[in-house]
Amino acid sequence: GNSVTQMEGPVTLSEEAFLTINCTYTATGYPSLFWYVQYPGEGLQLLLKATKADDKGSNKGFEATYRKETTSFHLEKGSVQVSDSAVYFCALSNRGAQKLVFGQGTRLTINP
Amino acid sequence: EAGVVQSPRYKIIEKKQPVAFWCNPISGHNTLYWYLQNLGQGPELLIRYENEEAVDDSQLPKDRFSAERLKGVDSTLKIQPAELGDSAVYLCASSLDQARGGEQYFGPGTRLTVT
Repeated sequence: GNSVTQMEGPVTLSEEAFLTINCTYTATGYPSLFWYVQYPGEGLQLLLKATKADDKGSNKGFEATYRKETTSFHLEKGSVQVSDSAVYFCALSNRGAQKLVFGQGTRLTINP
Repeated sequence: EAGVVQSPRYKIIEKKQPVAFWCNPISGHNTLYWYLQNLGQGPELLIRYENEEAVDDSQLPKDRFSAERLKGVDSTLKIQPAELGDSAVYLCASSLDQARGGEQYFGPGTRLTVT
């Protein structure tokens, strides 16, 4: 079946540090890939997405590239801010199933 | 544009009691989802509606959980009776047309504590 594996958290960084959160997936067919972010007390928000191999999703300084050969969709940001502190979820959607399958989430804390 | 609305935000009940959660999706969104999010885990789909029809309820524990979406708009998720292991966050989401890659928009969730 479809599954998503994220790097273990929590992750703590200093402001302006470089961020990478690893995500790998297992899926049949050609899924779409997503990163969602959950700020304290709020619902999940779509951060970025990619729908086919080699696509790069980007938003708010975050980027992730759909790598079919390594079945990965790692999230990166060049310079994090305190406001980026949140829980980040990698997810996939296989159009046949039409549902999101999430990883376990990675809690990110940015210290000033 | 108003987002997905859920109520209540928090609920504490004793085991064996019934509980219900309500969701109002974004106006015009025909697809509605209920997800279960256990502590420290990602959300897992319980049920998906296309308009009034439940098209995927394979993960819904039907012995104690039920859901309805009357008139294809609001939805209610019910647990009866609740068990200690049901303590979790229940998320509702909606989308325009998932078949075409429509983004899912999530509500803030209902945090259930069963004592």
